[in-house]
Amino acid sequence: DTEVTQTPKHLVMGMTNKKSLKCEQHMGHRAMYWYKQKAKKPPELMFVYSYEKLSINESVPSRFSPECPNSSLLNLHLHALQPEDSALYLCASSHPAGGSYTEAFFGQGTRLTVV
Amino acid sequence: AQRVTQPEKLLSVFKGAPVELKCNYSYSGSPELFWYVQYSRQRLQLLLRHISRESIKGFTADLNKGETSFHLKKPFAQEEDSAMYYCALGQNTGFQKLVFGTGTRLLVSP
Repeated sequence: DTEVTQTPKHLVMGMTNKKSLKCEQHMGHRAMYWYKQKAKKPPELMFVYSYEKLSINESVPSRFSPECPNSSLLNLHLHALQPEDSALYLCASSHPAGGSYTEAFFGQGTRLTVV
Repeated sequence: AQRVTQPEKLLSVFKGAPVELKCNYSYSGSPELFWYVQYSRQRLQLLLRHISRESIKGFTADLNKGETSFHLKKPFAQEEDSAMYYCALGQNTGFQKLVFGTGTRLLVSP
């Protein structure tokens, strides 16, 4: 299994809602990532978990709250989002290998629309 | 600061023509460079990484540290090569942090 699975594929939420994005991988990877991709823009790193610990938060607003319950799962909890947060949210994973890292495997993404 | 520059937003060629997608980077450390591709309605996937020095789907890329470039080349483009191509710079600091260029859309016409 070389896939990163994200659910849901699409999400529409109001500005007062609370929702969560989920990401799962069963490749044994110990680094997991959240990226945000706005339309016609490249992915931008939001968070990195390494061995289930938050290693990087790229100055992301607190209305985005990541969680890594175990080595296979990564969540992104959303609360009080703004319309400008509408984007494709990508999850990725990778693993240490021979002094470097495996390639980052990306999920299909969750397309989020905030209304 | 690390930065990746892809000067062309769109590259349009005819089938069978050579293709070169340009990528320049700035990074003070030892860089690890990648090319990722995103076909229509598909996930972002790795095409090439410089340390493997492979040829994938006929594409090659050579890291030129003197010119700080990692251009992607293919001698004869195919229609199925049409996609969005992102050059990315990786930092290995306990995990792999990727910085992406703005991407080049390759359109191969019959």
